[in-house]
Amino acid sequence: DAKTTQPPSMDCAEGRAANLPCNHSTISGNEYVYWYRQIHSQGPQYIIHGLKNNETNEMASLIITEDRKSSTLILPHATLRDTAVYYCIVRSTVGSSNTGKLIFGQGTTLQVKP
Amino acid sequence: SAVISQKPSRDICQRGTSLTIQCQVDSQVTMMFWYRQQPGQSLTLIATANQGSEATYESGFVIDKFPISRPNLTFSTLTVSNMSPEDSSIYLCSVEDRGLDTEAFFGQGTRLTVV
Repeated sequence: DAKTTQPPSMDCAEGRAANLPCNHSTISGNEYVYWYRQIHSQGPQYIIHGLKNNETNEMASLIITEDRKSSTLILPHATLRDTAVYYCIVRSTVGSSNTGKLIFGQGTTLQVKP
Repeated sequence: SAVISQKPSRDICQRGTSLTIQCQVDSQVTMMFWYRQQPGQSLTLIATANQGSEATYESGFVIDKFPISRPNLTFSTLTVSNMSPEDSSIYLCSVEDRGLDTEAFFGQGTRLTVV
């Protein structure tokens, strides 16, 4: 699986959008971009994933560049409860199945401040 | 989504002893995984628990130290054997069904302290 690069930490004001970047310059054509977060003392929580199109769900939006070498996770209105470590992971697929393991990097610690 | 129950949630153990951690899922799942999260660190994959056969271990992890069972599609155990203080970590169970648009779900983890 390709490696990802994320800033170690970021701050965001409560109510503002949090934009978390991720570089995955060696991503290959069959690899998806996944985002998870881990709130202190809890197990990781799935946020969103995508291949090449931008994706949006009730939690966040995922913007993937056209060359797929980087992506941005957007939390549109960050709250204090969004303070967590955010992990960007790329994983491979073959046909209709996820075959790649979830390999976690160090992630970005997002601190939402009042 | 899958609901995962891990037991125990935490334990304090003496060095040289073993602890078995249980992972129960509320539905049948294709894949089950075990992770370790050392203090202040990210998650590291220990192994993939395979139903009815030996687990597949990642580099740096061996069956003698971390024996794993998976008797059916809803249950798995991880044993941490002959523990030392370096084994103090959070151990997490993860489950996933194979498919293109699926995601993995994680238990709340077992916080292990070895004294």
